[in-house]
Amino acid sequence: EAGVVQSPRYKIIEKKQPVAFWCNPISGHNTLYWYLQNLGQGPELLIRYENEEAVDDSQLPKDRFSAERLKGVDSTLKIQPAELGDSAVYLCASSLETGTGELFFGEGSRLTVL
Amino acid sequence: DAKTTQPPSMDCAEGRAANLPCNHSTISGNEYVYWYRQIHSQGPQYIIHGLKNNETNEMASLIITEDRKSSTLILPHATLRDTAVYYCIVRVPDYKLSFGAGTTVTVRA
Repeated sequence: EAGVVQSPRYKIIEKKQPVAFWCNPISGHNTLYWYLQNLGQGPELLIRYENEEAVDDSQLPKDRFSAERLKGVDSTLKIQPAELGDSAVYLCASSLETGTGELFFGEGSRLTVL
Repeated sequence: DAKTTQPPSMDCAEGRAANLPCNHSTISGNEYVYWYRQIHSQGPQYIIHGLKNNETNEMASLIITEDRKSSTLILPHATLRDTAVYYCIVRVPDYKLSFGAGTTVTVRA
């Protein structure tokens, strides 16, 4: 069974440029999460989806970050414009049941903003 | 969310048991204890979770004290591939998973 797939694995951009990350969760997993991980720190939740509905986006910086999960399957996280401080790893995770704490993570997308 | 306290780092010998401590003295009655690990350049991986009883699976054992204020994750026979950051998390059902800094575990040959 395929795990959570993310792309790209690595992205280098200049500040003020846009960037997008894509995530395909495990088949049948209705809940999808985007986490941000800064160097040397644990992941922090940005947004959680139940099917196509964002049920927790309180930590998403909405001035420059946006996310969508139009058909309740794959998801895209966008940053526009990127800032130097956005350099981090963006992790996608999915879970089978609503409310479970057993999440399956992808390998992450490492962003470097120059 | 209750806060957890873990040592920043620890070493263990290959083939020996690794005992990873976690303090969660303010844990509430309905909060579960979860353990995840993150191997370098990979996403976190779920290991085990429990409420008050000890739990065991193919990866590890989780021992929770009777007062639930602390727990220990046991890797029975550590291998070099167990080198990772281990996160202890307490979580109310249906609430977000909040990761701290974790414990960097280095398994040495």
